[in-house]
Amino acid sequence: AQSVTQLGSHVSVSEGALVLLRCNYSSSVPPYLFWYVQYPNQGLQLLLKYTSAATLVKGINGFEAEFKKSETSFHLTKPSAHMSDAAEYFCAVSGGGGTASKLTFGTGTRLQVTL
Amino acid sequence: DAGVIQSPRHEVTEMGQEVTLRCKPISGHDYLFWYRQTMMRGLELLIYFNNNVPIDDSGMPEDRFSAKMPNASFSTLKIQPSEPRDSAVYFCASSSPPGQENLGVAFFGQGTRLTVV
Repeated sequence: AQSVTQLGSHVSVSEGALVLLRCNYSSSVPPYLFWYVQYPNQGLQLLLKYTSAATLVKGINGFEAEFKKSETSFHLTKPSAHMSDAAEYFCAVSGGGGTASKLTFGTGTRLQVTL
Repeated sequence: DAGVIQSPRHEVTEMGQEVTLRCKPISGHDYLFWYRQTMMRGLELLIYFNNNVPIDDSGMPEDRFSAKMPNASFSTLKIQPSEPRDSAVYFCASSSPPGQENLGVAFFGQGTRLTVV
């Protein structure tokens, strides 16, 4: 079974500041890990994914995440926040192993960006 | 491709009425998922299909909920009878089969906001 834990349901940063959203995972098999973003009244959109290739994964809108097996973490970062980054962010895990399977989502972190 | 298409976008219904939510997955995707999102419980997987066959329905909350996928391009989620606590945003998502570049990535529809009064 797989699960993810997102630390912090709300994160507030100033525009231009570093964004760090935390995600820790638990998986009995090598995981596939994902970050999704949800803007108000929208569906979820993929930001980036880790599927056992490079441990540092770059995504859209300047976001990146690093897979750290020793820490069972997959934290999302962006060097400089923009007002348009305000949204809810979800970390997710699937079983990997060459088969598409269901995604298990974290509880989400709402990012607020202030002037 | 237009992406995952859900209808209706908004539904308001009275308690006790039947509600049917519809989903058209991305062409070529053979996994289809139904999720429910609420403030209290976050994103919950209700059921998912592979090649039109239900694989895991353990997330379906009650017998009032049912889902079908009669063909590769259409799925429904039905609630009968509906109750106020069913009020939520329901998302449909689809993903591609193993071996393709987007393996494991679920593409979401815009969701259906259901309000049961």
